[in-house]
Amino acid sequence: TQLLEQSPQFLSIQEGENLTVYCNSSSVFSSLQWYRQEPGEGPVLLVTVVTGGEVKKLKRLTFQFGDARKDSSLHITAAQPGDTGLYLCAVIYGNKLVFGAGTILRVKS
Amino acid sequence: DTEVTQTPKHLVMGMTNKKSLKCEQHMGHRAMYWYKQKAKKPPELMFVYSYEKLSINESVPSRFSPECPNSSLLNLHLHALQPEDSALYLCASSQDPSTSGYVETQYFGPGTRLLVL
Repeated sequence: TQLLEQSPQFLSIQEGENLTVYCNSSSVFSSLQWYRQEPGEGPVLLVTVVTGGEVKKLKRLTFQFGDARKDSSLHITAAQPGDTGLYLCAVIYGNKLVFGAGTILRVKS
Repeated sequence: DTEVTQTPKHLVMGMTNKKSLKCEQHMGHRAMYWYKQKAKKPPELMFVYSYEKLSINESVPSRFSPECPNSSLLNLHLHALQPEDSALYLCASSQDPSTSGYVETQYFGPGTRLLVL
């Protein structure tokens, strides 16, 4: 089984719609990160969450760390074509950065 | 400057060729990483260098040979690769090696897209 389960795997939506991506685990983590990777580029860090229940906002993106620090969500409001990409959650496990399987988001104009 | 540069951007090689991928950072980071990424999949860790010493090798085949000539440079030497080695190879760096379960911020380069024929 995967350490981090991400859902959905694929998401294709129209511009202006809202969406939520989930990252779940049965393990507890001291921190969790979200990355976005655009085609032809490397992943870029969006946020690090460290406190259970923490909510962080980055423009139209809202990140939440679960109270038990086992899961996280990423909510995008009024999605735009520029939000298209691969969204990855990641944690440190065994001194290595381990990624979830990712969510491929396509926002159509 | 938070940039990690990688060269070349694209590489096509035959199974008998020898080539090298290069990575450079000037952020003073002491940890550098190689990842392999297949299409629509997450990056998979290959190697970690910590203070210029190899600290993690994720059981990578010996046809991949990493090298860290100094704290700013990381190379990946390729020899006798197989077609299934075709992938995006990403380099990353972080201030310090990740320890104690806290996620250090890793800065990724744009990658080298490798095609093995």
